[in-house]
Amino acid sequence: DADVTQTPRNRITKTGKRIMLECSQTKGHDRMYWYRQDPGLGLQLIYYSFDVKDINKGEISDGYSVSRQAQAKFSLSLESAIPNQTALYFCATSAGSNYGYTFGSGTRLTVV
Amino acid sequence: DAKTTQPPSMDCAEGRAANLPCNHSTISGNEYVYWYRQIHSQGPQYIIHGLKNNETNEMASLIITEDRKSSTLILPHATLRDTAVYYCIVLHTGTASKLTFGTGTRLQVTL
Repeated sequence: DADVTQTPRNRITKTGKRIMLECSQTKGHDRMYWYRQDPGLGLQLIYYSFDVKDINKGEISDGYSVSRQAQAKFSLSLESAIPNQTALYFCATSAGSNYGYTFGSGTRLTVV
Repeated sequence: DAKTTQPPSMDCAEGRAANLPCNHSTISGNEYVYWYRQIHSQGPQYIIHGLKNNETNEMASLIITEDRKSSTLILPHATLRDTAVYYCIVLHTGTASKLTFGTGTRLQVTL
């Protein structure tokens, strides 16, 4: 099983719908992150959490919300999806500031 | 966190060493240099990181200049599977640090 699992892998949704992307990890890491990637660009940080009671906005948090249900689970929600949220979404974990990140395989989201 | 500059693309023949440069002229003393790569649309993969000494692991070597203003990632014997986008990232060691990705270098390994 993968260290960081994202579900679903692919999703097509309509404008205005609420959608949740899920991330779970078996690394035992405290830190979890959500990134989005648009075609041809690098990853942009949406939200991050350094422990279960800690939630922080990243560079592009507008239109998104997150929930850290447990150390191993970090969900990203789009309350009312819009077409420019069509992107590849990645979840990542890390053990701390001097450790590498482990990324999931990504969720490809299309908003029509 | 310091900004990095990488060439947008590079080519390398299979079996040869791939040397990927990165400039980080504004790096400060407590910032590490990290390298990640992203193969097609998969999640980025950690390669290596260092502070000021050269580092080597099973994937690559990292050469950091003495003034720390630039570094080079070396893949000693590139294969077709090394074709990917390579990201050089400078990361503060503070507790609140987060990875910030630029656009990276697209490495194409050819036969």
